[in-house]
Amino acid sequence: NAGVTQTPKFQVLKTGQSMTLQCAQDMNHEYMSWYRQDPGMGLRLIHYSVGAGITDQGEVPNGYNVSRSTTEDFPLRLLSAAPSQTSVYFCASYDNQETQYFGPGTRLLVL
Amino acid sequence: DQQVKQNSPSLSVQEGRISILNCDYTNSMFDYFLWYKKYPAEGPTFLISISSIKDKNEDGRFTVFLNKSAKHLSLHIVPSQPGDSAVYFCAASKGANSKLTFGKGITLSVRP
Repeated sequence: NAGVTQTPKFQVLKTGQSMTLQCAQDMNHEYMSWYRQDPGMGLRLIHYSVGAGITDQGEVPNGYNVSRSTTEDFPLRLLSAAPSQTSVYFCASYDNQETQYFGPGTRLLVL
Repeated sequence: DQQVKQNSPSLSVQEGRISILNCDYTNSMFDYFLWYKKYPAEGPTFLISISSIKDKNEDGRFTVFLNKSAKHLSLHIVPSQPGDSAVYFCAASKGANSKLTFGKGITLSVRP
């Protein structure tokens, strides 16, 4: 039981490049979320999903796309990376209980 | 406008003493509150939660108090241990399964 896994752990992009941050969970959770953590800003919700085929925007969705074709996977796409997207990205999944299980994070640097 | 506020960025306490971490919220629709703990280079991990029907929830050394009229909650850690040194995030939601709104976090340092 791996919980929530994220790949890559670290990535450097040039402005304008695109990439996909991968997230997978093996707990059969219906709910999954993407957050970004910036210094002094805490965790901010980017997008979330309440089940396969259903996604919605969070607090800071601009510049990011998501899809949820399966229960297990919830990839986050950066269409055209900008330096403002330099951050640490966390994926999380949860069920009907109280908690969210977070992945270890992806550190992204956009030059 | 930040709906969940952790106004103190850091706290330092002596090992064995009590740590009190505070959190305020502005949205009266929030009815579920959680605390997460985060070590460097790791994802946050759930610590303790409380729903608005309670004013206190206890789990071992950790107790969360909720004052709905003041829109304030606090996390008490007794006794504090060096391994408690981490960043603590307060979070709130409208319902137990709804999306979370996080505070900025507070860095707790427990001195041996």
